[in-house]
Amino acid sequence: KNEVEQSPQNLTAQEGEFITINCSYSVGISALHWLQQHPGGGIVSLFMLSSGKKKHGRLIATINIQEKHSSLHITASHPRDSAVYICAVRYWGETSGSRLTFGEGTQLTVNP
Amino acid sequence: NAGVTQTPKFRVLKTGQSMTLLCAQDMNHEYMYWYRQDPGMGLRLIHYSVGEGTTAKGEVPDGYNVSRLKKQNFLLGLESAAPSQTSVYFCASSYEGDLATNEKLFFGSGTQLSVL
Repeated sequence: KNEVEQSPQNLTAQEGEFITINCSYSVGISALHWLQQHPGGGIVSLFMLSSGKKKHGRLIATINIQEKHSSLHITASHPRDSAVYICAVRYWGETSGSRLTFGEGTQLTVNP
Repeated sequence: NAGVTQTPKFRVLKTGQSMTLLCAQDMNHEYMYWYRQDPGMGLRLIHYSVGEGTTAKGEVPDGYNVSRLKKQNFLLGLESAAPSQTSVYFCASSYEGDLATNEKLFFGSGTQLSVL
């Protein structure tokens, strides 16, 4: 089983701050997802990465395959960015086949 | 397009009762999934389907059954609800799934289920 660890669990920031959320995993993967869960509960896919870096607006996601680590950055944070950010990894297990394992999420609160 | 629609949004059951959660997607996706989300834990896969007429067990399948009679619908059934099944349930779908490089997950809005 692939263990997915996110840090920090909770993060409070002031509007405008640069934010970093980290995700580490234990075994080799084929892809990594970053998801956003809104306060109302809905989940939206932000990025899917297999290597390198992706950018969408103020969000940047990077992955280091050798170090088994990914980061999600938010530039110029805004209160509307307040949400739970979830990392999920796709990997192949010998007995389970292809699997998607989710981290517990990082609760981000951005204060005005 | 509506995307992924889950019904109902909320439900309270008594122990031993049965119910079915419906997930519908209008994106012609092959892959559909049912997850449960519990406090302090990541989303866990209950069952999934890689196409019409197929289903497979996920990480926590016990106490649940599923059916995929039509490509656009994926039903999750609880035959005899237990308090341990109190959770938030999410349906998701994707076009390519597995090792495809362009996989993107689309989620329903969730179902809050309480079993008393």
